[in-house]
Amino acid sequence: QQQVKQSPQSLIVQKGGISIINCAYENTAFDYFPWYQQFPGKGPALLIAIRPDVSEKKEGRFTISFNKSAKQFSLHIMDSQPGDSATYFCAASILGSARQLTFGSGTQLTVLP
Amino acid sequence: NAGVTQTPKFQVLKTGQSMTLQCAQDMNHNSMYWYRQDPGMGLRLIYYSASEGTTDKGEVPNGYNVSRLNKREFSLRLESAAPSQTSVYFCASSRTRTGENTEAFFGQGTRLTVV
Repeated sequence: QQQVKQSPQSLIVQKGGISIINCAYENTAFDYFPWYQQFPGKGPALLIAIRPDVSEKKEGRFTISFNKSAKQFSLHIMDSQPGDSATYFCAASILGSARQLTFGSGTQLTVLP
Repeated sequence: NAGVTQTPKFQVLKTGQSMTLQCAQDMNHNSMYWYRQDPGMGLRLIYYSASEGTTDKGEVPNGYNVSRLNKREFSLRLESAAPSQTSVYFCASSRTRTGENTEAFFGQGTRLTVV
């Protein structure tokens, strides 16, 4: 049973456009929501993360919007660049003895020049 | 710093063969993880070790065993490989403390094909 659902599966955006990736979760015990970026042949790397007590977090061109009541969160990439072309994963975690992550299925983003 | 190092990077096994995937981290992290990545399914947790001396099952542990050799090293063993274990395997580590948001760092992956 997938606890974190991610959409869309793939996304094509023109350079300078806004990329939006959405995730929904089921487990209300989740209290940490990171986004990971993965380039081909590489491991995932943390891009940005948010706690549920905050509705929005911005780091440069990347913004997470969080809706606790709807159990949804999204990644917005402003002024998308060809170098942003990668696979993006949302994830969720529960504070506990270790940081086990439950991942979404991933979104392959292509930014056209 | 090397971060999280996985060996080997590529491996082809025949059905029924065994092998061990090695992982080492040099960040003094207490927690380590093994994930597998399959197309359209994201990353799924196989096993994790919250601290040296402890290991626990994740979402998809069947067919795998792990060993936390010391604080730095966490290995994943396939005793009798099956084609369904064809995947990309990622090791990760984090400095996890209760109440803190700590980043998980991933290795570059091991691409395993079972024929």
